[in-house]
Amino acid sequence: DVKVTQSSRYLVKRTGEKVFLECVQDMDHENMFWYRQDPGLGLRLIYFSYDVKMKEKGDIPEGYSVSREKKERFSLILESASTNQTSMYLCASRPWGGALDGAEAFFGQGTRLTVV
Amino acid sequence: SQQGEEDPQALSIQEGENATMNCSYKTSINNLQWYRQNSGRGLVHLILIRSNEREKHSGRLRVTLDTSKKSSSLLITASRAADTASYFCATDASTSYDKVIFGPGTSLSVIP
Repeated sequence: DVKVTQSSRYLVKRTGEKVFLECVQDMDHENMFWYRQDPGLGLRLIYFSYDVKMKEKGDIPEGYSVSREKKERFSLILESASTNQTSMYLCASRPWGGALDGAEAFFGQGTRLTVV
Repeated sequence: SQQGEEDPQALSIQEGENATMNCSYKTSINNLQWYRQNSGRGLVHLILIRSNEREKHSGRLRVTLDTSKKSSSLLITASRAADTASYFCATDASTSYDKVIFGPGTSLSVIP
């Protein structure tokens, strides 16, 4: 079974903490994505990476950074967590060329982060 | 810069009825995909339609694509309570790497 695994299902952090959300995929995919999901807003792209050490900003990168040191792992970092970053975070992966081939994206189960 | 937008935002139907969800997008695309999300979980791919296709079927799912109107629809026939979920359309913009851009989704409730 192909798999995208996010390190935590639920996380509670304090305002100002540095938060790491980890995502690992076992499909050897080049592309990995971090989305944030909020009611009524759907999934908004925070960052994506198309190769090791390569990254591109999505639609809402402010307050976030990412790290991709290995192909299978893509980390989302909240430098200084704030209450408005309370949300569901979803990681996904997709093979290179997926936009042309129409390859599906595979998702992790999501991390529900609460910042208090 | 959301690419796809679904309509309606929420839909409630009786079991056995058909459910239709619509999606509009803004720029030219290579493909359009539909995903399903059960409550509080990750998304699962349902069906893909390419920009040169007009209609596609998969089991009880029927997807149409009208590139001239930049719109797509997802029809679920003979709905079941287990179809209760959120449904998202996602587009591959033809000019922006392999990004997948999602709309806000339609929340479907199928009442037994």
